[in-house]
Amino acid sequence: DSGVTQTPKHLITATGQRVTLRCSPRSGDLSVYWYQQSLDQGLQFLIQYYNGEERAKGNILERFSAQQFPDLHSELNLSSLELGDSALYFCASSPQGDTQYFGPGTRLTVL
Amino acid sequence: QQQVKQSPQSLIVQKGGISIINCAYENTAFDYFPWYQQFPGKGPALLIAIRPDVSEKKEGRFTISFNKSAKQFSLHIMDSQPGDSATYFCAAIPSGGSYIPTFGRGTSLIVHP
Repeated sequence: DSGVTQTPKHLITATGQRVTLRCSPRSGDLSVYWYQQSLDQGLQFLIQYYNGEERAKGNILERFSAQQFPDLHSELNLSSLELGDSALYFCASSPQGDTQYFGPGTRLTVL
Repeated sequence: QQQVKQSPQSLIVQKGGISIINCAYENTAFDYFPWYQQFPGKGPALLIAIRPDVSEKKEGRFTISFNKSAKQFSLHIMDSQPGDSATYFCAAIPSGGSYIPTFGRGTSLIVHP
């Protein structure tokens, strides 16, 4: 158990809908990273937050957004969902620097 | 553009054998090289990591070999066990900044009993 929690574990929704994925980092970790994992693209970095502020952006679509709250939990919002958004979404937290601890992930299925 | 190339894509090993997974990178700004192990339905878990100032790091049955001049690093799993069957990802992380890792595509390892 990494200490990072993610909810929900599974999410099934329809195209065009909007969903919110939640992540609680390890106690004391200020950085939260979001990743998308699909069979054809592997693990792709989406976005990073550090102590409430956006720190870095990767291959995140404009339909996706995220935020980190004062209690350091983070939410990833996915809107206007398409079939191709079906994937595993992971968050990871880090105390500082390079070591990241991954959560168990949310499996999103868009029908 | 894939900055970290991982091979093989899949690997089948007999119990007790040695599993070897290789990664190559291009960006010389990478400064930290972790390996992650992922079981089905689980998130990646940090297995072992190395910095370029050493050529080898060993933790139990897992060893990373690092060749800075060739910009290559590899994971060796000695005495492979069926419980090692998982997907393994290498990653490379640049120094400073946001420490955003670039991951290899992953290697699916199956260890037969």
